[in-house]
Amino acid sequence: TQLLEQSPQFLSIQEGENLTVYCNSSSVFSSLQWYRQEPGEGPVLLVTVVTGGEVKKLKRLTFQFGDARKDSSLHITAAQPGDTGLYLCAGATTGNQFYFGTGTSLTVIP
Amino acid sequence: NAGVTQTPKFQVLKTGQSMTLQCAQDMNHNSMYWYRQDPGMGLRLIYYSASEGTTDKGEVPNGYNVSRLNKREFSLRLESAAPSQTSVYFCASSEPPLSYYNEQFFGPGTRLTVL
Repeated sequence: TQLLEQSPQFLSIQEGENLTVYCNSSSVFSSLQWYRQEPGEGPVLLVTVVTGGEVKKLKRLTFQFGDARKDSSLHITAAQPGDTGLYLCAGATTGNQFYFGTGTSLTVIP
Repeated sequence: NAGVTQTPKFQVLKTGQSMTLQCAQDMNHNSMYWYRQDPGMGLRLIYYSASEGTTDKGEVPNGYNVSRLNKREFSLRLESAAPSQTSVYFCASSEPPLSYYNEQFFGPGTRLTVL
């Protein structure tokens, strides 16, 4: 069962452009995490959001948790080639398991 | 600190063969996890161990067994490999036990192909 759908699946943009990645579900999560994964490596945590409506900023990255705690978004301002990678959202349920999204593969072209 | 280490990095098996994937962490974490990653599917939890001496099934446990050997080590065994088990396998650890404030630290992965 895939609880979290991410869109778009693939994204290729020019350096300096802005982008938004979406993570959607019909399920309610107690928290939601965003990870970035580079080729040949494991995912690395970027942020955890826990409150409905919460917004967190990490330099040029802005993360938002939906009011109903069913969805989240990641916005990148002025993308750089170093932002290239696979972005994964992961939702935690009351059963204490994390369910990962399908992933968004981002390529930033210099 | 090495963090989370996994061996081997690559493996090719024939259908029906068995193998064990090894994972070790040096962060003194209580909880450890095994995931598999397939294209377009994200990561799916196979088994996890909330603490030494306990293991629980995740989302896709069929065809796998695990052993929490001690606090540092958590192994994943394929008794009779099938082509459907071709995937990239990731081990992760976290502390305290899995909770929504928790950060999971991932190993570099094992790339398994079953012919």
